Amino acid sequence: YELTQPPSVSVSPGQTASITCSGDALPQQYAYWYQQKPGQAPVVVIYKDNERPSGIPGRFSGSSSGTTVTLTISGVLTEDEADYYCQSADSSGTYQVFGGGTKLTVL
Amino acid sequence: QLQLQESGPGLVKPSETLSLTCTVSGGSIRRSSYYWGWIRQPPGRGLEWLGSFYYTGTTHYNPSLKTRVTISIDMSNNQFSLKLGSVTAADTAVYYCARHVPDSLTGSFGVNNYFDPWGQGTLVTVSS
Repeated sequence: YELTQPPSVSVSPGQTASITCSGDALPQQYAYWYQQKPGQAPVVVIYKDNERPSGIPGRFSGSSSGTTVTLTISGVLTEDEADYYCQSADSSGTYQVFGGGTKLTVL
Repeated sequence: QLQLQESGPGLVKPSETLSLTCTVSGGSIRRSSYYWGWIRQPPGRGLEWLGSFYYTGTTHYNPSLKTRVTISIDMSNNQFSLKLGSVTAADTAVYYCARHVPDSLTGSFGVNNYFDPWGQGTLVTVSS
């Protein structure tokens, strides 16, 4: 089972960045999004498709439609430059899967 | 605040067993509703879940690594460990431990699970 993400997304500061994640099992379960900055461990920025943990800025949001989930960052800041990973399980719930990751570049 | 810290050798020889320990502070592994897991990241690449453990002894492993991975718990020291056997250069990676949060409605491993928080990670290089 695979989760497919674009390898890279580029935006200018203040614009909106959208990162997609596709997987056949996503209609039946929630997806989760992690931000990873260089040399650091991943941090959850969105859980259950569209919920934001405490401490995560309001410019981070998530949505789901069919087999695709989307992480949206509105009014991107240079500090948002990082790798972003989606995560869910396979359709039978046997194992946990991460997407390949998307490098967000803020030009 | 829950914190996790990985420890172990940074260099392992090919064909040997990689052994790492995760020390949990700010919370107890025992009698918690959480699983405890290991995830790795080869240099410059993405994340791969290795396996997760519940304090009662229930374990779940990545099918692609199942024959080589063992996760165990040391409740007296509030630690859990990873052993990966017969390593090759392809096992060179940063290894993270993390609290594995199960489905909030069922408490079950599987769908609607995620990892939070994570340890800082430790680089393990497989080389002779």
